[in-house]
Amino acid sequence: GIQVEQSPPDLILQEGANSTLRCNFSDSVNNLQWFHQNPWGQLINLFYIPSGTKQNGRLSATTVATERYSLLYISSSQTTDSGVYFCAVPDRGSTLGRLYFGRGTQLTVWP
Amino acid sequence: DAGVIQSPRHEVTEMGQEVTLRCKPISGHDYLFWYRQTMMRGLELLIYFNNNVPIDDSGMPEDRFSAKMPNASFSTLKIQPSEPRDSAVYFCASSFGGPSGQFFGPGTRLTVL
Repeated sequence: GIQVEQSPPDLILQEGANSTLRCNFSDSVNNLQWFHQNPWGQLINLFYIPSGTKQNGRLSATTVATERYSLLYISSSQTTDSGVYFCAVPDRGSTLGRLYFGRGTQLTVWP
Repeated sequence: DAGVIQSPRHEVTEMGQEVTLRCKPISGHDYLFWYRQTMMRGLELLIYFNNNVPIDDSGMPEDRFSAKMPNASFSTLKIQPSEPRDSAVYFCASSFGGPSGQFFGPGTRLTVL
């Protein structure tokens, strides 16, 4: 299967700071998803982003498929942003079916 | 939309007992996925269905695990007999195969004593 690596593994921020999370993957993919797992364990679909840039409020994501990486930007972080951020990709040549997840970035935002 | 619904939310059982986890996907979604999350192995796919048909069950750990999808709105994951190493959070997710990705349920936290 495809290898997905995320960095950094842990990130601690003061409220109001900005951050960038990175996701590298080992093969060509047709799409990529970013998820947020909140402290209660719920996995929330943030972005479906095969390529280019998308924005949703204070969050934005950029995928450069040709270079096999994606970035998640969090601006003006809030305590509610705390949790684990995962990226996930499907099998090579697929847009559907199984997703391969990275190990996640654990984000802690202090007030 | 109600989102993906899973039950029970928590399950505590003793080794050797049968466990059944339930999932109702989002209406209109034709893909359904079962994942397991542990600290050691992270999130891993167990099995997924398309139009109620199992497509890939290569992630099912062993014969003690089985999954069914009798109709488009219901799926079960059964563990018989359960073992302590099965303790994990089990997630169900669904998608419609379009450009929106997979949506996860709240998960079932299973503890096998």
